[in-house]
Amino acid sequence: KNQVEQSPQSLIILEGKNCTLQCNYTVSPFSNLRWYKQDTGRGPVSLTIMTFSENTKSNGRYTATLDADTKQSSLHITASQLSDSASYICVVRVNFGNEKLTFGTGTRLTIIP
Amino acid sequence: DSGVTQTPKHLITATGQRVTLRCSPRSGDLSVYWYQQSLDQGLQFLIQYYNGEERAKGNILERFSAQQFPDLHSELNLSSLELGDSALYFCASSIQEFGNEQFFGPGTRLTVL
Repeated sequence: KNQVEQSPQSLIILEGKNCTLQCNYTVSPFSNLRWYKQDTGRGPVSLTIMTFSENTKSNGRYTATLDADTKQSSLHITASQLSDSASYICVVRVNFGNEKLTFGTGTRLTIIP
Repeated sequence: DSGVTQTPKHLITATGQRVTLRCSPRSGDLSVYWYQQSLDQGLQFLIQYYNGEERAKGNILERFSAQQFPDLHSELNLSSLELGDSALYFCASSIQEFGNEQFFGPGTRLTVL
């Protein structure tokens, strides 16, 4: 069964600190991997999209890495801010030819002052 | 603001009833996707339409149906509602049929009593 697993489930860090969120997937064949940020009760917002040929992609203080061989991805957040408090969702596009996406259950990140 | 609009924002109804959720995609986007997010659950893909035609189906129940109209707005119809249908329902849109970034709407929170 195609799955996307994220860790940790939740994380609390001090404002200004860095953190790394993990995503492991078993979906195959793989097309692309996306990281979304979802504030409570709101729609997800895309942070990065990476194809299998990309190892790293940055969006401001967010840097995503991808290892297609080990089927692992990480999202690194630098110099965290209070507004980074949200759920971060890893999403994998399952195969070519359609747009079915498999979502992880997310990491709930809380930044404390 | 993603440019995707959803109405209503909240909906409270009773078991056995039928409701219709509405979505207007971003200007120029031809694909519309529907997702369900239950409490503490990951987003579940329901169905995708592209330029009026159904393109991909996920774990959508037979009691649920959707359509995309010539003006590209979409409606998700939920019938014979059960308590377990209480969830956030998100609509997303993208420019093409697949491979592109999806932009999510603010969601409709459905509560079935």
